[in-house]
Amino acid sequence: EDQVTQSPEALRLQEGESSSLNCSYTVSGLRGLFWYRQDPGKGPEFLFTLYSAGEEKEKERLKATLTKKESFLHITAPKPEDSATYLCAVQAGRNYGQNFVFGPGTRLSVLP
Amino acid sequence: ETGVTQTPRHLVMGMTNKKSLKCEQHLGHNAMYWYKQSAKKPLELMFVYNFKEQTENNSVPSRFSPECPNSSHLFLHLHTLQPEDSALYLCASSQVIKSDTQYFGPGTRLTVL
Repeated sequence: EDQVTQSPEALRLQEGESSSLNCSYTVSGLRGLFWYRQDPGKGPEFLFTLYSAGEEKEKERLKATLTKKESFLHITAPKPEDSATYLCAVQAGRNYGQNFVFGPGTRLSVLP
Repeated sequence: ETGVTQTPRHLVMGMTNKKSLKCEQHLGHNAMYWYKQSAKKPLELMFVYNFKEQTENNSVPSRFSPECPNSSHLFLHLHTLQPEDSALYLCASSQVIKSDTQYFGPGTRLTVL
């Protein structure tokens, strides 16, 4: 069975204090790994898609990396507006549009 | 993000009511999805439609009935719900040929009394 775990469950950082969020997955035939940001009461906002081990993508203060077993979301010099829940999802299998599994998320708080 | 819209944004209904949630995507995508997000639980995929055909139903109770009249619109018809069905219902869309990246709407917050 495809599984996704995220750690830590919650993280509190001071403004400017860099850190990393982890997403570990167990799937057969990874087709893609996705990172989203979700603010309370809102829909997830797409951040990155990673397709193969060794791939990296960056956007402002965020950088996502992928290995064969896990992905990291690195946050450099975070600001209070980066506070949100960060969700990781994987898609596996042969068929398009199917077999999406989301992790439980990491709730990030950045204090001024 | 205004590419995927959902109405209503909030809904309160009794257990005997019938209501519908609506989702519309303006991104030219060909797949649409319904998810349920409950407190303290990961997003749960409910239904998938590819090119208007339902391709996945993750053991969802029959009191939830999806409808996809075209590739831009998706409905979730609700009847005789239970209080444990209270949750945030999210719609998403993707272009499955080029990328399966899903783009989400703002959600409908459903409360079942």
